[in-house]
Amino acid sequence: DTAVSQTPKYLVTQMGNDKSIKCEQNLGHDTMYWYKQDSKKFLKIMFSYNNKELIINETVPNRFSPKSPDKAHLNLHINSLELGDSAVYFCASSRLLTGLQETQYFGPGTRLLVL
Amino acid sequence: RKEVEQDPGPFNVPEGATVAFNCTYSNSASQSFFWYRQDCRKEPKLLMSVYSSGNEDGRFTAQLNRASQYISLLIRDSKLSDSATYLCVVNLGGAQKLVFGQGTRLTINP
Repeated sequence: DTAVSQTPKYLVTQMGNDKSIKCEQNLGHDTMYWYKQDSKKFLKIMFSYNNKELIINETVPNRFSPKSPDKAHLNLHINSLELGDSAVYFCASSRLLTGLQETQYFGPGTRLLVL
Repeated sequence: RKEVEQDPGPFNVPEGATVAFNCTYSNSASQSFFWYRQDCRKEPKLLMSVYSSGNEDGRFTAQLNRASQYISLLIRDSKLSDSATYLCVVNLGGAQKLVFGQGTRLTINP
């Protein structure tokens, strides 16, 4: 029933490790996104994909690599984790890439803590 | 200057009160505007879009002033369940790039 799902919900790991977060949407949407919400609660877009094609890449370190195997999935792989990567990562999707009133639907978030 | 600025609050108001939040945005090319709601430790969810003519959805009224680059949200007859963080969101147009404000935290007290 879940529209946008993410796994894992919580991730605690050591500095320097590599980890992945998975996202799936069952809404039939064309566009998916990754956002980061830091400790000050600012929510910032990292990437967007439309039909498996990268559209937005917002000055994110290249340790972060998104992968979209199909339009229902957008995974985020993070290499060499740093303390500053600790945040909540939200996946989202929207029906279309363009359209001024498109609603974005968010997943429940993945809480990443780097020790 | 932040692209979208909001008073972070917190706002503490009694149940039944009317409360208003404001938001300003810096990019005059912004094309669409929204209020999202985020409950504690949950994901953001769309509350309502904001149209140039102003719009209402039950107890919630949103206004947009493009000349002043200002967006507002009014909540009437507030309920305990309205307690949340309210995020002002601007779409710069094109590829669905949403820019979020820091959010205004609201607590409704019984």
